[in-house]
Amino acid sequence: EAAVTQSPRNKVAVTGGKVTLSCNQTNNHNNMYWYRQDTGHGLRLIHYSYGAGSTEKGDIPDGYKASRPSQENFSLILELATPSQTSVYFCASGSGTGGYEQYFGPGTRLTVL
Amino acid sequence: GQGVEQPAKLMSVEGTFARVNCTYSTSGFNGLSWYQQREGQAPVFLSYVVLDGLKDSGHFSTFLSRSNGYSYLLLTELQIKDSASYLCAVDTNTGKLTFGDGTVLTVKP
Repeated sequence: EAAVTQSPRNKVAVTGGKVTLSCNQTNNHNNMYWYRQDTGHGLRLIHYSYGAGSTEKGDIPDGYKASRPSQENFSLILELATPSQTSVYFCASGSGTGGYEQYFGPGTRLTVL
Repeated sequence: GQGVEQPAKLMSVEGTFARVNCTYSTSGFNGLSWYQQREGQAPVFLSYVVLDGLKDSGHFSTFLSRSNGYSYLLLTELQIKDSASYLCAVDTNTGKLTFGDGTVLTVKP
């Protein structure tokens, strides 16, 4: 069965600190995505990737970087974390374009103090 | 611009049905997806529609009208466990999904 894992599941960071969120998928999917979800809202796309070595800006990329070192791994990096980046972050993988089924990880709850 | 709109809340009764509406206005359109998200959990894919009309998937059915920028998710024979948030997402020709804010469905006994 499709599997997307994220680490850490919970993270408390200080303002100005560096945060790295990791995602691993065993689906052998080419596409991977990072979203954030704020309370009472839908998912907003931060960065995505079409394969190892590629990263693309999503709808809200400011303040975030992404890295796709391999087919399986996709990281989201906050170089200088701010309280406005407090949110739940979801990673997802998919085999085709956006409309094909995306498989989501369990999410990471990030709090920036 | 890109816009996907859904009502924030919906309430229905166990054993009946619920229709979750979604309207969209996007610069490109390949299709539309529906996801279910339970409290504190990740979204789970339900359906993807490309063609106009009703697509029956048993407990869940989806309708699409491309000319009107409108879709709905129909849940029949509701159970308490169907209480969740339902997310509509438009697949534009950019290869990305644009999500609505979701509709929280509450099924009452």
